[in-house]
Amino acid sequence: GQQLNQSPQSMFIQEGEDVSMNCTSSSIFNTWLWYKQEPGEGPVLLIALYKAGELTSNGRLTAQFGITRKDSFLNISASIPSDVGIYFCAGYGIYNQGGKLIFGQGTELSVKP
Amino acid sequence: NAGVTQTPKFQVLKTGQSMTLQCAQDMNHEYMSWYRQDPGMGLRLIHYSVGAGITDQGEVPNGYNVSRSTTEDFPLRLLSAAPSQTSVYFCASRSGLAGGPETQYFGPGTRLLVL
Repeated sequence: GQQLNQSPQSMFIQEGEDVSMNCTSSSIFNTWLWYKQEPGEGPVLLIALYKAGELTSNGRLTAQFGITRKDSFLNISASIPSDVGIYFCAGYGIYNQGGKLIFGQGTELSVKP
Repeated sequence: NAGVTQTPKFQVLKTGQSMTLQCAQDMNHEYMSWYRQDPGMGLRLIHYSVGAGITDQGEVPNGYNVSRSTTEDFPLRLLSAAPSQTSVYFCASRSGLAGGPETQYFGPGTRLLVL
């Protein structure tokens, strides 16, 4: 089946640093989504990408839909303590059968003040 | 507009017990899904539904049943709980606009411990 590999699994950074994480797929995806999950909560959508090559920003967050349609990247600039959480990539594959959203394993971000 | 609601928030079961996790949404979304989240494994799809009366299996359906009698509700049933079903369960819903933007909204989760 379709799988997403997300890296890195965890990051420990200093406040103010930039963060990059990525997600790769073994097959083509036609939609990429990036979520953030805080402790005790469900994932919350950050950015949605729908076209190959698309670059979308949401405040300090920027995500890109890879040209090959098999990868996506999320960058966070000038990190702050409230960026702490688990970031998930997710996507709908080209053969999506009406609702099967596939998730990566998550990147756990820790920000040291 | 409450979004996606889940009950209960926490549950402890003994092996072999059955229970139903409730999920409801008030956004008139067609698609609803159940995921389980385990450490280091992201979210894995259990079952999903593309509309009332229609359900299908996800990645990890064994041990779970679902039904979709109304657009609003999508309960998840554990027939005979096992320790391997200890997890955090998330319900989600999204609109099914063909060819249009899609977003999926998650409920707050149900934390289940099976002893």
